[in-house]
Amino acid sequence: GDSVTQMEGPVTLSEEAFLTINCTYTATGYPSLFWYVQYPGEGLQLLLKATKADDKGSNKGFEATYRKETTSFHLEKGSVQVSDSAVYFCALGLYSGGGADGLTFGKGTHLIIQP
Amino acid sequence: DGGITQSPKYLFRKEGQNVTLSCEQNLNHDAMYWYRQDPGQGLRLIYYSQIVNDFQKGDIAEGYSVSREKKESFPLTVTSAQKNPTAFYLCASSKGRTPEAFFGQGTRLTVV
Repeated sequence: GDSVTQMEGPVTLSEEAFLTINCTYTATGYPSLFWYVQYPGEGLQLLLKATKADDKGSNKGFEATYRKETTSFHLEKGSVQVSDSAVYFCALGLYSGGGADGLTFGKGTHLIIQP
Repeated sequence: DGGITQSPKYLFRKEGQNVTLSCEQNLNHDAMYWYRQDPGQGLRLIYYSQIVNDFQKGDIAEGYSVSREKKESFPLTVTSAQKNPTAFYLCASSKGRTPEAFFGQGTRLTVV
């Protein structure tokens, strides 16, 4: 079946450090890829997405590139801030023809940014 | 503003009781979903519905039930058959023809 593997945390960085959170996937079809962010006690917010190979999603300084050859969608940010502290989820979704039948999520990476 | 509303935010239930979690959306989305989140396990799909009066089981449907009588509403009932119901429950919706989902703020259910 479909699956998403992402590095598990917690990941602790100092403010202004470079961030990479690795994500790889296995899918039977041609998925869309997503990064979601969750702040404590809240739901998930879409951070960025990519729908086809070599697409780059970007938002709020975060970027991720859909790499079909390595089945990866790594999240990067050049200079993190304390406010980036959250849990980050990588996810994939497939459209089955009858409609979208839900996302498959990684287990989440807890990111902690220290001032 | 359009969005997804889950209520209540916190819910306590005694063992052996059924409880219903509410999810309403005004995004005019066709598809709606219920996920369960446990620490360290990511999100797992319970049920989803792509159209009114139709729904499908997800990966962990046992002990749960849903209905989809209106496009805007997709309530989830946690039955007494669910062996470990304490969790954070998230409702989501999508336009149906794309997998991109928008999430509510969640309901934290605690069995006491």
